[in-house]
Amino acid sequence: DAGVTQSPTHLIKTRGQHVTLRCSPISGHKSVSWYQQVLGQGPQFIFQYYEKEERGRGNFPDRFSARQFPNYSSELNVNALLLGDSALYLCASSQLDGTYNEQFFGPGTRLTVL
Amino acid sequence: QKEVEQNSGPLSVPEGAIASLNCTYSDRGSQSFFWYRQYSGKSPELIMFIYSNGDKEDGRFTAQLNKASQYVSLLIRDSQPSDSATYLCAVNGFTGSRNDMRFGAGTRLTVKP
Repeated sequence: DAGVTQSPTHLIKTRGQHVTLRCSPISGHKSVSWYQQVLGQGPQFIFQYYEKEERGRGNFPDRFSARQFPNYSSELNVNALLLGDSALYLCASSQLDGTYNEQFFGPGTRLTVL
Repeated sequence: QKEVEQNSGPLSVPEGAIASLNCTYSDRGSQSFFWYRQYSGKSPELIMFIYSNGDKEDGRFTAQLNKASQYVSLLIRDSQPSDSATYLCAVNGFTGSRNDMRFGAGTRLTVKP
């Protein structure tokens, strides 16, 4: 079975631009979470979606938004990019919603903001 | 106090030794605990999860949880050079939310041949 897929792999943007990152979960998984990982730190939770509904939101500004589609794939959008948004953006999928569900990560999208 | 704190690395052990990785968390209401392995330049890979107090073994890996002490650990027996990676402790159920998984900064492990 295919794992979590993300696109693009790498992305270079300039300050003030907008970016859209995409994620397809493992087949049969209905929950998608997004994380930001800055070099030298652990992933930081941004959003979690289940059945197209937002179920959790981390401490990120409103420039960050996301959505989940009927096929359970997801998009993360970031507006008005800042230099500090440069990071590895990780998508993780899990079968169901809730605390006791293991999350499996995709390969990530490396975003560089110049 | 950091929400999820891991023992500062880097940690270096000889091949065949036991590597011990530790993690403490601040929210007593946390409910589920995960260990991820992350190779340099790669995404995290789930290796263990534990929900109940006590030990859980999977091959060379043993996760230990003590909710009263707010402590979770990972033991790697017979360490191999291929175990060299950063190990991330993750805690779910923070602040009562079911979907707010918090990670530690990771402990870098090097296994020397």
